[in-house]
Amino acid sequence: QAGLTQPPSVSKGLRQTATLTCTGNNNNVGDRGAVWLQQHQGHPPKLLCHRNNHRPSGISERFSASRSTNTASLTITGLQPEDEADYYCSAWDSTLSAWVFGGGTKLTVL
Amino acid sequence: QVQMVESGGGVVQPGRSLRLSCATSGFIFSSYTFHWVRQAPGKGLEWVALVSYDGTDKYYADSVKGRFTISRDNSKNTLNLQMNNLRVEDTAVYFCAREDYDFWGRGTTVTVSS
Repeated sequence: QAGLTQPPSVSKGLRQTATLTCTGNNNNVGDRGAVWLQQHQGHPPKLLCHRNNHRPSGISERFSASRSTNTASLTITGLQPEDEADYYCSAWDSTLSAWVFGGGTKLTVL
Repeated sequence: QVQMVESGGGVVQPGRSLRLSCATSGFIFSSYTFHWVRQAPGKGLEWVALVSYDGTDKYYADSVKGRFTISRDNSKNTLNLQMNNLRVEDTAVYFCAREDYDFWGRGTTVTVSS
């Protein structure tokens, strides 16, 4: 099953802003949007943003999501050391009748 | 509070079977769709299967279709994954996740090796 496309790695400095992208097609990201997950090494993933770009309670306002046609984006402002993690996007694919994940982006905070 | 705990992982030979379970508490289990998601060592997340709130709708990744069966027991607040004809490439940590991916278990490790 074809997955979503994410850059393998992004590096930004402390207190800078990072924007992570997730590209799909009309049948997945372009259809109902994508969720964003954060995963620290050795821990289960944590939901950062719902498909409607809303944050669950308890998630910092520094995390925000948006979508433009078939590309979803996660913007993290004021980068902190604890933001260093792997970030995944996922979307329901209406043609495949399956959820698809991106390969993940490893964010490094310099 | 919401709790989701996977169990049933282990080491198994190729071609054998294993049954994973995910015990939940702290919410109305029967109201939610659930996923199994796996992560091979050093790799990214891979969606495995989904079951609707009442168990009538089930969807699978192509990589497991015909070998894995997802099910649920709403009387026991438990999600299951029956894995048959296991392959080396099924080696992974298996997570259960609630409908919107808002809650996850800590995972159970499945190793398929001869």
